[in-house]
Amino acid sequence: KQEVTQIPAALSVPEGENLVLNCSFTDSAIYNLQWFRQDPGKGLTSLLLIQSSQREQTSGRLNASLDKSSGRSTLYIAASQPGDSATYLCAVTGMIKAAGNKLTFGGGTRVLVKP
Amino acid sequence: KAGVTQTPRYLIKTRGQQVTLSCSPISGHRSVSWYQQTPGQGLQFLFEYFSETQRNKGNFPGRFSGRQFSNSRSEMNVSTLELGDSALYLCASSLEGSRGEKLFFGSGTQLSVL
Repeated sequence: KQEVTQIPAALSVPEGENLVLNCSFTDSAIYNLQWFRQDPGKGLTSLLLIQSSQREQTSGRLNASLDKSSGRSTLYIAASQPGDSATYLCAVTGMIKAAGNKLTFGGGTRVLVKP
Repeated sequence: KAGVTQTPRYLIKTRGQQVTLSCSPISGHRSVSWYQQTPGQGLQFLFEYFSETQRNKGNFPGRFSGRQFSNSRSEMNVSTLELGDSALYLCASSLEGSRGEKLFFGSGTQLSVL
């Protein structure tokens, strides 16, 4: 059974510092991995999606890497801003086709960027 | 293009009651998935519907059920509510529900069971 872990559960940084968020998964047989952002009491917004054959994806200040063999992904957010304060979740899709696009989520990292 | 719409936004129920939550997917999307989010268990997959059929199911008791209508709108029902059912219920839609498809999430329904 796939298990996804995100450590630390919470993180506080001063504005301008780079953020590094970690995600690990126990079963390397994944189809893809996604990073989401969630604001308090709200739904999830997809940030980046990395296919299992890719090593990284970039969008603006965000960069996500994937090392399938070690079961790890890292989300980098450059030059953090107060507006980046949110909970960041990673989720994996398994290789079993019949499971469709079912996601297995990590517990999330709650980020606070202090002005 | 309108996003995924969930109603109601908030619900307060008492133990033993039942509740129905609604989800309208993005126009053209035929797959709707439901997730439960709690502080203790995080986000967990409930079930997925495609073309009015439940295609996948998570590890939840039979009190949790759902259905999908011909216009792809979906409802989920929880019967005999328990305190532990208090959670944010999120639905997500995608075109076909195929592996790797991007999911678009609604803002959720916050259910409180007293």
